[in-house]
Amino acid sequence: GAVVSQHPSRVICKSGTSVKIECRSLDFQATTMFWYRQFPKQSLMLMATSNEGSKATYEQGVEKDKFLINHASLTLSTLTVTSAHPEDSSFYICSASVTSSYNEQFFGPGTRLTVL
Amino acid sequence: AQKVTQAQTEISVVEKEDVTLDCVYETRDTTYYLFWYKQPPSGELVFLIRRNSFDEQNEISGRYSWNFQKSTSSFNFTITASQVVDSAVYFCALRQPQTGANNLFFGTGTRLTVIP
Repeated sequence: GAVVSQHPSRVICKSGTSVKIECRSLDFQATTMFWYRQFPKQSLMLMATSNEGSKATYEQGVEKDKFLINHASLTLSTLTVTSAHPEDSSFYICSASVTSSYNEQFFGPGTRLTVL
Repeated sequence: AQKVTQAQTEISVVEKEDVTLDCVYETRDTTYYLFWYKQPPSGELVFLIRRNSFDEQNEISGRYSWNFQKSTSSFNFTITASQVVDSAVYFCALRQPQTGANNLFFGTGTRLTVIP
């Protein structure tokens, strides 16, 4: 099956710093990538949808200036958490989608962010 | 409105018991897809099954089986002869491509603990 990687897998940062998370589709080209956030013992909530070469579409309540998404190529999307605060500590998961009859999504392993 | 409901927050069973995880969904689309994912403690989502709205045939894969009932908008998941390795959080999810959204709506998850 298709493989999606995320880097880093775990990051700890100080409050006020910015953190970049990369999501890569390793063996296929992803027309669309999704970013989800999962707080402890909660479900995955969609943050934004990004299509290669265009601006990301953010879900209601997600600050686009705080969570910067760049989808510069068909194999790479990045999420930058700017001026991170402890409440941003969460598990961030990306998925990559291939245009097909199913528009199948393949999930990355996730990035655990801890903001001190 | 909650699109996917997993009423069981936590379930504990003794090893070798059968267990059924419930999932009820809500959609106005005539074409949609339902999924089950397993999330072990490592956090990575493991794809278990995809079912489209036109295929109500139940499916069995080893110890896993799924019962899709459009009449009750349910897509329940049964693990037969449970094992300790089945301990994880299980998510049911819905995709509604007709509305133009290819992202997944996740239920709140059911934490399954299999006691040896």
